[in-house]
Amino acid sequence: QKEVEQNSGPLSVPEGAIASLNCTYSDRGSQSFFWYRQYSGKSPELIMFIYSNGDKEDGRFTAQLNKASQYVSLLIRDSQPSDSATYLCAVGAGGYNKLIFGAGTRLAVHP
Amino acid sequence: GAVVSQHPSRVICKSGTSVKIECRSLDFQATTMFWYRQFPKKSLMLMATSNEGSKATYEQGVEKDKFLINHASLTLSTLTVTSAHPEDSSFYICSALAVLAGGPEDEQYFGPGTRLTVT
Repeated sequence: QKEVEQNSGPLSVPEGAIASLNCTYSDRGSQSFFWYRQYSGKSPELIMFIYSNGDKEDGRFTAQLNKASQYVSLLIRDSQPSDSATYLCAVGAGGYNKLIFGAGTRLAVHP
Repeated sequence: GAVVSQHPSRVICKSGTSVKIECRSLDFQATTMFWYRQFPKKSLMLMATSNEGSKATYEQGVEKDKFLINHASLTLSTLTVTSAHPEDSSFYICSALAVLAGGPEDEQYFGPGTRLTVT
């Protein structure tokens, strides 16, 4: 059974701080990794994806991937209250671009 | 970005009835769509992969006779919950795959979800 694990949180950070969200996965053969943001009662929206080991930056967001440790993380710099949401880690699971989602980490950014 | 719609957004039905949920890709063609369900404070669970012109592929533990999927065109997939029961109450979300290069770069665009309540 392929699994994606996330700390459910809540992760509480002050406005302007760096939020660090972590995710581990069980399938060593996984090649693609995604971070989604989901507001309560809404569907997920893609923040970014990463395929290669190392860091990938997009604005205030940085994804980090370490395939040897089967670990992927998301850093949010200069956190804003509007970043408060549940962040879902998803891992590509083979054919037809299937995604296996983690349970999500709830982030709360307080002023 | 690409837009995916779902209809209805909310539905309440009585136990034993069937409910159809539509998922449409509005500005792109999608040969592959996915259906997920999400319980409160839980993650998205993939139910099935819907492929245009062929039978859907269901995940382990998902009853294909209960959750009927039809992907009759490149822009429409439907999920019918047959003989619904209260335990089927959930948030159902579809996504449509926008093929860029046929690889992992292809992005899933999610619909807004359908909240089903079975009384």
